[in-house]
Amino acid sequence: AQKITQTQPGMFVQEKEAVTLDCTYDTSDQSYGLFWYKQPSSGEMIFLIYQGSYDEQNATEGRYSLNFQKARKSANLVISASQLGDSAMYFCAMREGLGNDMRFGAGTRLTVKP
Amino acid sequence: DAGVTQSPTHLIKTRGQQVTLRCSPISGHKSVSWYQQVLGQGPQFIFQYYEKEERGRGNFPDRFSARQFPNYSSELNVNALLLGDSALYLCASREQRGVSYEQYFGPGTRLTVT
Repeated sequence: AQKITQTQPGMFVQEKEAVTLDCTYDTSDQSYGLFWYKQPSSGEMIFLIYQGSYDEQNATEGRYSLNFQKARKSANLVISASQLGDSAMYFCAMREGLGNDMRFGAGTRLTVKP
Repeated sequence: DAGVTQSPTHLIKTRGQQVTLRCSPISGHKSVSWYQQVLGQGPQFIFQYYEKEERGRGNFPDRFSARQFPNYSSELNVNALLLGDSALYLCASREQRGVSYEQYFGPGTRLTVT
């Protein structure tokens, strides 16, 4: 069964506007972590933001924030004030249980238009 | 501080051959994980090693093996290569096991099997 679902294969956003990338997850564990990574065309995975299942506040890191809705099992990434350099693949990922592995979604390709 | 390093950067092999990929984690990180990323998909978990022991294994055949050395560096071996093994192989490290620890990726090794 798919653990992480990203339903948007591609997204476009105008420079300086905000964009939301969707992510839903499936787990029966009480303890889990949710991560977002950015992958530019160079291939390297860049860590953006983390949200723990017990965290009561939504995580924020600079222009990145995570809209965590536990009951709906969603962990959407919000990028504010988009920049041309934000154009990349974005992956949502989850680690659960003992934390031995990390499962990734299929990714969303974000294109920022000038 | 140096990030996660991987070698080689690119590799071309023939079907049936064997390959060894190498990874050096961030200094102080004891956990190393390996992922396979086929073009157009999210990374798939292969192995996790912590303190030189295998702690997690993904759904990959026995042709895939790995090990971790006393200095926490790691090797991934793939035997009897198939065309379908062509992918970007990513190594990631983190300080400890557990759900919440951030994981940092290396630049990857791009393997092409002909």
